[in-house]
Amino acid sequence: SQQGEEDPQALSIQEGENATMNCSYKTSINNLQWYRQNSGRGLVHLILIRSNEREKHSGRLRVTLDTSKKSSSLLITASRAADTASYFCATAGNQAGTALIFGKGTTLSVSS
Amino acid sequence: GAGVSQSPSNKVTEKGKDVELRCDPISGHTALYWYRQRLGQGLEFLIYFQGNSAPDKSGLPSDRFSAERTGESVSTLTIQRTQQEDSAVYLCASSLGTGGTPLHFGNGTRLTVT
Repeated sequence: SQQGEEDPQALSIQEGENATMNCSYKTSINNLQWYRQNSGRGLVHLILIRSNEREKHSGRLRVTLDTSKKSSSLLITASRAADTASYFCATAGNQAGTALIFGKGTTLSVSS
Repeated sequence: GAGVSQSPSNKVTEKGKDVELRCDPISGHTALYWYRQRLGQGLEFLIYFQGNSAPDKSGLPSDRFSAERTGESVSTLTIQRTQQEDSAVYLCASSLGTGGTPLHFGNGTRLTVT
């Protein structure tokens, strides 16, 4: 399975601190994506990094990808209480038409 | 519509009954996914439709689960003879196409089997 696995399962930090979440996967990928979920409902796409990219930024988000280690990290800088949510990585395989597979997620709690 | 729409938002059913869950994807999105999420868990892939290709049904947990899609529009997920372990949020997502393009999710249907 190409399923990603996030680490840690849960993370609690104070506002203003940085939050780092990691994702590992098993097979070759076309790209890796990070999503956010509030209140157990629909997920929202945050950022996509392709297999030939090593780092990508979007606002306070920084994503890295190490294909040799089959791992990715999501860094949220200067966290806010509103960042409290679950974060999931998802991988798309190399073969055309393959489904996007999600990991189990990291639950982030930011307290003020 | 502006986003992916799922109905009903909540469904309570008795064990043994059949249920149908509906998903209206974003217009023009050729790919459509169904996922299941049990309380406090990650997303479990169920089925994936891409254009006119045969759907990827590899995630369906049993033959009680089936899904259809009409062209590149509405999809229905049917669960026959529901069991208590089927209780979960069922999420639908659509995207523009292949290659792992970003998914747009609906708000899900929360299914409770009593």
